[in-house]
Amino acid sequence: KQEVTQIPAALSVPEGENLVLNCSFTDSAIYNLQWFRQDPGKGLTSLLLIQSSQREQTSGRLNASLDKSSGRSTLYIAASQPGDSATYLCAVPPENTGNQFYFGTGTSLTVIP
Amino acid sequence: AAGVIQSPRHLIKEKRETATLKCYPIPRHDTVYWYQQGPGQDPQFLISFYEKMQSDKGSIPDRFSAQQFSDYHSELNMSSLELGDSALYFCASSAGPNNEQFFGPGTRLTVL
Repeated sequence: KQEVTQIPAALSVPEGENLVLNCSFTDSAIYNLQWFRQDPGKGLTSLLLIQSSQREQTSGRLNASLDKSSGRSTLYIAASQPGDSATYLCAVPPENTGNQFYFGTGTSLTVIP
Repeated sequence: AAGVIQSPRHLIKEKRETATLKCYPIPRHDTVYWYQQGPGQDPQFLISFYEKMQSDKGSIPDRFSAQQFSDYHSELNMSSLELGDSALYFCASSAGPNNEQFFGPGTRLTVL
């Protein structure tokens, strides 16, 4: 079974800093990888989707990279803002179905004003 | 833009009761997924449907069943509720399998 791990589990940074969140997965046979943010008690907001054939995706201040062979993805957040405070989850579906997601353990980010 | 709609948003039930959760996907999305997120846990995949047929099955208890209807909305039926079923239940939809999944706001189920 795919295992997805995110490091660090929690991160606290001052406003304006650039930061990197890490995601690793044990089975490199993935269809794609998706990053989400989740506010406390709320739903999941899709941030970025990287197809298995891609190396990176960018959306505004967010940049996600994927190294499928080594089982790693990073989410880079530039010029962090207090509104970025949330839990960030990465998720991967297995290559054979692409349907069900295996979610990472999440990184809880706090951006201090 | 239209998003995934889930109803109800909150539900309180007693043990051994039955609950039905509804999910309305984004228009023109034909694939629906159900996830369960316990307190402090990451979401766990339950079941998915594509074009009204079950496409994948995860850790869904036998007490739960689900279906997708002709208008692509989906319902998750949960019977003989247990205290451990208390969780946030998410529905997600995509335009076909293997594509980006968009999540609804979730239904918070509390079993007393």
